[in-house]
Amino acid sequence: AQSVTQLGSHVSVSEGALVLLRCNYSSSVPPYLFWYVQYPNQGLQLLLKYTSAATLVKGINGFEAEFKKSETSFHLTKPSAHMSDAAEYFCAVSRGMDSSYKLIFGSGTRLLVRP
Amino acid sequence: GAGVSQSPSNKVTEKGKDVELRCDPISGHTALYWYRQSLGQGLEFLIYFQGNSAPDKSGLPSDRFSAERTGGSVSTLTIQRTQQEDSAVYLCASSLWGYGYTFGSGTRLTVV
Repeated sequence: AQSVTQLGSHVSVSEGALVLLRCNYSSSVPPYLFWYVQYPNQGLQLLLKYTSAATLVKGINGFEAEFKKSETSFHLTKPSAHMSDAAEYFCAVSRGMDSSYKLIFGSGTRLLVRP
Repeated sequence: GAGVSQSPSNKVTEKGKDVELRCDPISGHTALYWYRQSLGQGLEFLIYFQGNSAPDKSGLPSDRFSAERTGGSVSTLTIQRTQQEDSAVYLCASSLWGYGYTFGSGTRLTVV
């Protein structure tokens, strides 16, 4: 079985500060890992994905995540927060990129950016 | 179409009524998923369609929930005898092998 745990339902940072959103996964097979962002009243947008190639994955809007097998983690970071980054972020795991594998989501982390 | 389209965007219904939620996937996408997002919760998998295969219904919370996908394209999620705990945002996603999942904007269902 696969599962995802996101530590912290809310994270607050100042504009310009480092963003760190934590995600730990559990999987009996090599995982495929994803980060999605959801802006208010919108659907989910893919930020980045890990598919067993490079362990450091760069995504859109300056975000990146590092796959650490020893720590079963896939934390999301951004060096400098912008006000426009305020949104809810979801980490997800899947058994593969084949569309027959469903995504298992974490409970989400709401990022607040203070001026 | 250019993206996954869901309708209606908002639906308010009285407890006990039936509702239908519609999803138009991206043309050519063979897989279609329904997820439910309750307030303060993550996304809960409901049902999955892949081509002409039998759907994976393992996430449907009760027999009041059903879904169909006609012609391998449009999907309808039906909730019968709605309850207040059904209030949530229902998200649809479609996928083509290897290209990940594209989500619609969701239908916000409120049962009063």
